[in-house]
Amino acid sequence: NAGVTQTPKFQVLKTGQSMTLQCAQDMNHNSMYWYRQDPGMGLRLIYYSASEGTTDKGEVPNGYNVSRLNKREFSLRLESAAPSQTSVYFCASSPGQGDSDTQYFGPGTRLTVL
Amino acid sequence: GENVEQHPSTLSVQEGDSAVIKCTYSDSASNYFPWYKQELGKRPQLIIDIRSNVGEKKDQRIAVTLNKTAKHFSLHITETQPEDSAVYFCAASGGTGRRALTFGSGTRLQVQP
Repeated sequence: NAGVTQTPKFQVLKTGQSMTLQCAQDMNHNSMYWYRQDPGMGLRLIYYSASEGTTDKGEVPNGYNVSRLNKREFSLRLESAAPSQTSVYFCASSPGQGDSDTQYFGPGTRLTVL
Repeated sequence: GENVEQHPSTLSVQEGDSAVIKCTYSDSASNYFPWYKQELGKRPQLIIDIRSNVGEKKDQRIAVTLNKTAKHFSLHITETQPEDSAVYFCAASGGTGRRALTFGSGTRLQVQP
């Protein structure tokens, strides 16, 4: 089992460019999440998907969109990147519907927006 | 929504000493409290968790305690080793209308050999 995988590992964008961060899990988990991690601020939830076909906003959703493509894959899209979106992005998954459930993290994508 | 506060932000101990990290949460309906360890440039890794029907849980040198009345929970690491040096995050979930983890801001633990 690869667990949770993310691509790319690193990305540099110019302001206004768009890109999609990919996440996949092979643990047959129902729930998936996107977090961003900024220095000194812990991890903040961007969007989550409690189950295939559903998505919900988290704490910091502005400037992002998500797609739960199927049970395995959950992508995060930046339509018009801004320097404030420079961060490390982590995808995570959990077995259940998202409440009170152990989450497993991917290796992260380090994004720089110039 | 849920708010999780974590203290201290940095902690330095001598090898072999104990380390304690404390967190408080605001949503009394929260019922799941994991702790993650994150090494530099790596992903967060779950080290221990506790659910609201339990007051304490131990796993070798690591223990977590939960006080639901006071809405706080703590991580205890005994006999610290240099490889325990990392950033530790507490989190909470399961509260009303909240379906994902809310994290504390992290504690950087340095174990001096």
